Amino acid sequence: DAGVTQSPTHLIKTRGQQVTLRCSPKSGHDTVSWYQQALGQGPQFIFQYYEEEERQRGNFPDRFSGHQFPNYSSELNVNALLLGDSALYLCASSENSRNSPLHFGNGTRLTVT
Amino acid sequence: GEDVEQSLFLSVREGDSSVINCTYTDSSSTYLYWYKQEPGAGLQLLTYIFSNMDMKQDQRLTVLLNKKDKHLSLRIADTQTGDSAIYFCAESQDGGFKTIFGAGTRLFVKA
Repeated sequence: DAGVTQSPTHLIKTRGQQVTLRCSPKSGHDTVSWYQQALGQGPQFIFQYYEEEERQRGNFPDRFSGHQFPNYSSELNVNALLLGDSALYLCASSENSRNSPLHFGNGTRLTVT
Repeated sequence: GEDVEQSLFLSVREGDSSVINCTYTDSSSTYLYWYKQEPGAGLQLLTYIFSNMDMKQDQRLTVLLNKKDKHLSLRIADTQTGDSAIYFCAESQDGGFKTIFGAGTRLFVKA
């Protein structure tokens, strides 16, 4: 039973470029959340997708957008990259119930130069 | 605010007990969680507690919840070198569809 998978594992981009990160949820999960974890910090909530729509959003600018597909997989897009966007981006999946525990992938390490 | 606060570092000797503390802000949080992160990996759920409970024990792990003070702790008995990692406290918010994390406590276990 595959857990949460993310791709790519590492990515290097230049300031101003755009990036797309991908996530496949754990089997049986239909809800996907994205987090940004800067070095030495805890994960910061970006947004959550359910039924192909953004259900909750954290304090991130509109440069951060996402999508969920009918098979529950998800993408995170970041436009106009800034140096400060360098971080580990974590995807977590869960069942669609309140307080359902999150299951995390190993993340995508994004470096913006 | 939606801050979850933790102390940043804890160092213990192998075989001792470790206690990691956390304070949270949302009095309506119904579930509180402890996650573990090892180098280069995502977060792994260790345990969680429902807000109407005071204590939960799971093998070497004991979670204590003081809802009045909004204080949560994780005790690891007989700490091993393999327990060295970052431990995150987290609370559910916004009706349970959003999970907010603390900055993490880095646990060092000395042999």
